[in-house]
Amino acid sequence: NAGVTQTPKFRVLKTGQSMTLLCAQDMNHEYMYWYRQDPGMGLRLIHYSVGEGTTAKGEVPDGYNVSRLKKQNFLLGLESAAPSQTSVYFCASSYSPETQYFGPGTRLLVL
Amino acid sequence: GQQVMQIPQYQHVQEGEDFTTYCNSSTTLSNIQWYKQRPGGHPVFLIQLVKSGEVKKQKRLTFQFGEAKKNSSLHITATQTTDVGTYFCAGGTNDYKLSFGAGTTVTVRA
Repeated sequence: NAGVTQTPKFRVLKTGQSMTLLCAQDMNHEYMYWYRQDPGMGLRLIHYSVGEGTTAKGEVPDGYNVSRLKKQNFLLGLESAAPSQTSVYFCASSYSPETQYFGPGTRLLVL
Repeated sequence: GQQVMQIPQYQHVQEGEDFTTYCNSSTTLSNIQWYKQRPGGHPVFLIQLVKSGEVKKQKRLTFQFGEAKKNSSLHITATQTTDVGTYFCAGGTNDYKLSFGAGTTVTVRA
């Protein structure tokens, strides 16, 4: 099992550009989450999904959109990137709302 | 909304010493989880506490859940260089989500 994988590992964007971060899990987990991690602020939930075809807003959803068309994939989109979205993005999945398994992260720099 | 506060933000420890990191929630939790993130890595699940007053041990790590289920602590004895990293607590409230504290970053002096 690969567990949770994230693509890409690192990306540099210019302000206003768009991109999609891909998260994939092979553990047949129902729940998937997108977090951002900034220094001194821990992990903040952006969006989450409790099953295929469902999504919900987390703590900091503005500027992001998500889709869960397939159970194993959870996509995070930035329509018009801003410097404030420079961060490390982690995806996580879980069988139930308990133990979360995290991916390796995507480092995003917006210039 | 729910807030989880964690202190201290940084902990500099002499190898062999003990330390404790604390976690406090503004609301009653259904469970609390602890994760460890090594430098440059991703958070890894350590443990979950569910019951009021629960205490669990993992080798040199002792985790405690408060009686009111609003606070928790992680105590590490005889700190080793392998303990370096950031420790996060995360509170769950039966709504599919976890609220993470800001973490305690631990450095160890050999």
